[in-house]
Amino acid sequence: QKEVEQDPGPLSVPEGAIVSLNCTYSNSAFQYFMWYRQYSRKGPELLMYTYSSGNKEDGRFTAQVDKSSKYISLFIRDSQPSDSATYLCAMISGAGSYQLTFGKGTKLSVIP
Amino acid sequence: GAVVSQHPSWVICKSGTSVKIECRSLDFQATTMFWYRQFPKQSLMLMATSNEGSKATYEQGVEKDKFLINHASLTLSTLTVTSAHPEDSSFYICSASSRQHNEQFFGPGTRLTVL
Repeated sequence: QKEVEQDPGPLSVPEGAIVSLNCTYSNSAFQYFMWYRQYSRKGPELLMYTYSSGNKEDGRFTAQVDKSSKYISLFIRDSQPSDSATYLCAMISGAGSYQLTFGKGTKLSVIP
Repeated sequence: GAVVSQHPSWVICKSGTSVKIECRSLDFQATTMFWYRQFPKQSLMLMATSNEGSKATYEQGVEKDKFLINHASLTLSTLTVTSAHPEDSSFYICSASSRQHNEQFFGPGTRLTVL
C-alpha cells in the first residue's frame, strides 16, 4: 500500500461546478498537508497548507483534513476553466522535515 | 513567494551523453534543495536531498553515480545525468527551501528526452 493514495482521474466538470478532490494516507506521522496545482509541463505551485484537522478556506478553495480518518480534501467552488490543471496532495511528517510525499495527482478539466 | 528557476527547460540528447540541469533560487538563499523526477501521469518522486556544502542524500533505488548532484552555493544546485539512456527521459523538477521559508518552492521543471 502506498503512503498516499489519490485518484488520478481525469475529472471533467462544467464551469461553475463545485469540485471535490481527495487523498487518503496511511502514515500517522504525517502532520502537515498541502495541495499543489501543476499546469502541464510546469512545476507545482502551492495552493493550500494545513496542519490541524478541520477546514481552511482561501477564496474559492477550501482544504479539509480529517486526521482520524487519514483523509484530506480540497474543494473548489465556482470552478473556472483556468482551474484546469493537475492537483497534487502532499504531506510532511514533522516539524523541521522538508521531505514531501506526494499523491499521484488528479487531472481536472473545467469545461466552459 | 520565492522564485526558483531551472535551466534548460527542455533538452534532447543522444543516448550515452551526459546532461547537466541547473536549479537556482533567485531571491533567497536555499539551504536545502530537492530533486524530483516525474514520469507521465505519475507523481513527483523524490530522487535526492542536498544541503549546501555537503553530499546529497539519495533515495532508495536512485543511483548516485548516475545522477550527480552538486550544491556548491546557497543559490545553485546542479543535477548531472551521466550516460543518459532513453529510460531516463522524464520531467526533472527541483525545489528549494530555507530556514526562513517553511515550504518548498518548485522550479518550472526540465524535460529530458534521450534518443
